[in-house]
Amino acid sequence: KAGVTQTPRYLIKTRGQQVTLSCSPISGHRSVSWYQQTPGQGLQFLFEYFSETQRNKGNFPGRFSGRQFSNSRSEMNVSTLELGDSALYLCASSPRGGSTNEKLFFGSGTQLSVL
Amino acid sequence: QQQVKQSPQSLIVQKGGISIINCAYENTAFDYFPWYQQFPGKGPALLIAIRPDVSEKKEGRFTISFNKSAKQFSLHIMDSQPGDSATYFCAASRRGSGSRLTFGEGTQLTVNP
Repeated sequence: KAGVTQTPRYLIKTRGQQVTLSCSPISGHRSVSWYQQTPGQGLQFLFEYFSETQRNKGNFPGRFSGRQFSNSRSEMNVSTLELGDSALYLCASSPRGGSTNEKLFFGSGTQLSVL
Repeated sequence: QQQVKQSPQSLIVQKGGISIINCAYENTAFDYFPWYQQFPGKGPALLIAIRPDVSEKKEGRFTISFNKSAKQFSLHIMDSQPGDSATYFCAASRRGSGSRLTFGEGTQLTVNP
């Protein structure tokens, strides 16, 4: 089985622009979650989608949004980019989500640099 | 609010030694405690996980020790190998929180040959 695929791998944007990141989960996985990783704040949960519905949301401003399609693929969007949005954005998938025992499978991430 | 504190920030161990990483949590509603391993350029990968109804779980060279009363848990890597050099993250989640994990700050482990 192919792992979690994130595209693009690297992205450079300027302040004020918007960006869309893509994630294809492992085949058969219905839950997709997004995390932001920075040297200062570590790994922080952004949101989780299951069956095209946002099930959980972290403490990020409304500029961060996401969606999930019927094939479980997910996108996240950041509008009006700020310098502090520079980070590695990680997508993780799991078969069902909603269970605290479920293993998360992470992609290699998209490295976003905001200039 | 940092709900999971991890230490040390970095750790250097000789090959064959024991690596110990500690975590402490605040939220008593947490009921699942995984450890993730991350290599440069890769996403985190689940190493081992424990629930608070057991005090220890061992998988190969990796052991989690869990102290519910102290709200602490630790990862022990026995016979550490250079290939174990990576960043390790403890995490916690509570029932019903889906895929929402609260991560510790991470520990960069270097195992010297």
